[in-house]
Amino acid sequence: GAGVSQSPSNKVTEKGKDVELRCDPISGHTALYWYRQSLGQGLEFLIYFQGNSAPDKSGLPSDRFSAERTGGSVSTLTIQRTQQEDSAVYLCASSLDLPGANVLTFGAGSRLTVL
Amino acid sequence: TQLLEQSPQFLSIQEGENLTVYCNSSSVFSSLQWYRQEPGEGPVLLVTVVTGGEVKKLKRLTFQFGDARKDSSLHITAAQPGDTGLYLCAGGTSYGKLTFGQGTILTVHP
Repeated sequence: GAGVSQSPSNKVTEKGKDVELRCDPISGHTALYWYRQSLGQGLEFLIYFQGNSAPDKSGLPSDRFSAERTGGSVSTLTIQRTQQEDSAVYLCASSLDLPGANVLTFGAGSRLTVL
Repeated sequence: TQLLEQSPQFLSIQEGENLTVYCNSSSVFSSLQWYRQEPGEGPVLLVTVVTGGEVKKLKRLTFQFGDARKDSSLHITAAQPGDTGLYLCAGGTSYGKLTFGQGTILTVHP
């Protein structure tokens, strides 16, 4: 597709359940980012995949969060044993990874609600 | 950890007024970007500035990057209701990671 695609767009789950969020980036984009956004707030960095380099996982809030990127394309963000404070919009973005001036194209996000 | 402080957090103005949003940091960034986000959508890039002191204009929007590349401002002239949204600044590093500010929610009343 022409843009970044995320699924599901909405997910409601019970506390303690695991969830998987999927991101399909723009074809040819070597960099992929996951951010978390609480209502009307800024973006909290979670993880950054850059080509074949080891991902920058410095933003993952706990060991319940993990992400992988298979074949340099699709990425999955997994949250284990979800908690109510995990409720947020999870945004994925991809870019061509130009040094010093990355331009990110974002998906519409996955809204997660933990009951 | 690089932090970006945006101010004001909320801005409510009347159509036709001017406004400025500020983005400040104690860190130096290789680039500074401004995004606009509407409800239910992801942020969309407005502009990228990379040179200290750089000024870019996009119709009624003027963006400036501080000389030391630690701060930036967004000025909107004669705001319109269509300018309503969440404005986000983001600082870029040489290896690509972007750090976002907490955003400014702008509401322009007709």
